[in-house]
Amino acid sequence: SQTIHQWPATLVQPVGSPLSLECTVEGTSNPNLYWYRQAAGRGLQLLFYSVGIGQISSEVPQNLSASRPQDRQFILSSKKLLLSDSGFYLCAWRPGTGNTIYFGEGSWLTVV
Amino acid sequence: EDQVTQSPEALRLQEGESSSLNCSYTVSGLRGLFWYRQDPGKGPEFLFTLYSAGEEKEKERLKATLTKKESFLHITAPKPEDSATYLCAVQAGGNTPLVFGKGTRLSVIA
Repeated sequence: SQTIHQWPATLVQPVGSPLSLECTVEGTSNPNLYWYRQAAGRGLQLLFYSVGIGQISSEVPQNLSASRPQDRQFILSSKKLLLSDSGFYLCAWRPGTGNTIYFGEGSWLTVV
Repeated sequence: EDQVTQSPEALRLQEGESSSLNCSYTVSGLRGLFWYRQDPGKGPEFLFTLYSAGEEKEKERLKATLTKKESFLHITAPKPEDSATYLCAVQAGGNTPLVFGKGTRLSVIA
């Protein structure tokens, strides 16, 4: 069966520090991969999605970036965090031939 | 622009008091409508996918229905463990990402 792993689960970082959140999917090949952010009262905001290795689409211009170095690995990064980057970050995947998106457990980021 | 609006924002029910959550959408060429359940501090958990008007799906006390403009999530005789935020999302044609509503926060009181 397919599983998705996302880490770290919680993170407290100072303003201006770098960020790296990692996500891996097991049990499938060539999945579509997504990074969402969820802020209170604002719903799920799509940040990046990828349909293949090295292929990244950005939905929202900001100081975050994403990379997909391997088929089942998706990384969310920032060189310098802002206070406004605080939130709940969710990695998700979808089978290459399916419609349903499945989410990881999420990462809580607090920028102080 | 594809849009999803969920109502109400919050709903408080007594245990056993049935009700419905609404998801209204505008999308060019609906490929699928999705319902998720999200517990506090957790990632959304997939519940249902609906593809065409008139389709219905059930899981325990939950039943999802779909029309050309909206979907309903009916909750029959809810229990406290049904308390969660319920999210609706739509996908337009092609390989486009899902567009999510802001969710309905359901509280079921014993």
